Amino acid sequence: GAGVSQSPRYKVAKRGQDVALRCDPISGHVSLFWYQQALGQGPEFLTYFQNEAQLDKSGLPSDRFFAERPEGSVSTLKIQRTQQEDSAVYLCASRQSGTNYGYTFGSGTRLTVV
Amino acid sequence: AQSVTQPDIHITVSEGASLELRCNYSYGATPYLFWYVQSPGQGLQLLLKYFSGDTLVQGIKGFEAEFKRSQSSFNLRKPSVHWSDAAEYFCAVGRYSSASKIIFGSGTRLSIRP
Repeated sequence: GAGVSQSPRYKVAKRGQDVALRCDPISGHVSLFWYQQALGQGPEFLTYFQNEAQLDKSGLPSDRFFAERPEGSVSTLKIQRTQQEDSAVYLCASRQSGTNYGYTFGSGTRLTVV
Repeated sequence: AQSVTQPDIHITVSEGASLELRCNYSYGATPYLFWYVQSPGQGLQLLLKYFSGDTLVQGIKGFEAEFKRSQSSFNLRKPSVHWSDAAEYFCAVGRYSSASKIIFGSGTRLSIRP
């Protein structure tokens, strides 16, 4: 597609429930990033893939957060046993290889944990 | 460690007036600098980016930014704002030499006075 597609657009989860958020990057984009944006804050880095390899997961807040990109295209961010503090917008971005390209972001998934 | 500071949380300007949004960064290597805009409920849209060359960069929607290495700043400007410019603006910094993560500031919310 023409842009980065994220689904679902909104997700309401009960505390303790597992959730899976999907990101479809722009076709051919090698790099894929996940960010978490709490209300009124800037996006915070979670993790980064180059093709199927997860090169940086330093931003994942706990071992309840897990991301994968098994075939180097679609990525899934999974959150186990959701907590209220996980409520945020989760943004996905992709980028072409090379140094002078910007990062294209999706519209995000708004997760609300009740 | 890399960081981005946007000292103004909220700015209000009159329609037709000029605008300057401040951004200061801390980065040990050659920075790759961005400005993104986010409208309510939307993802991040790239306004402009700088990685080398002319320190005054032009972006979309009539925005420009100037890179000043001596001041570690990358301020965003627009000569005449429109009501549709009301949004949240984020400055971000990354490493030029690789497609690694970018770090965002906490954002500046722009309101437009009719």
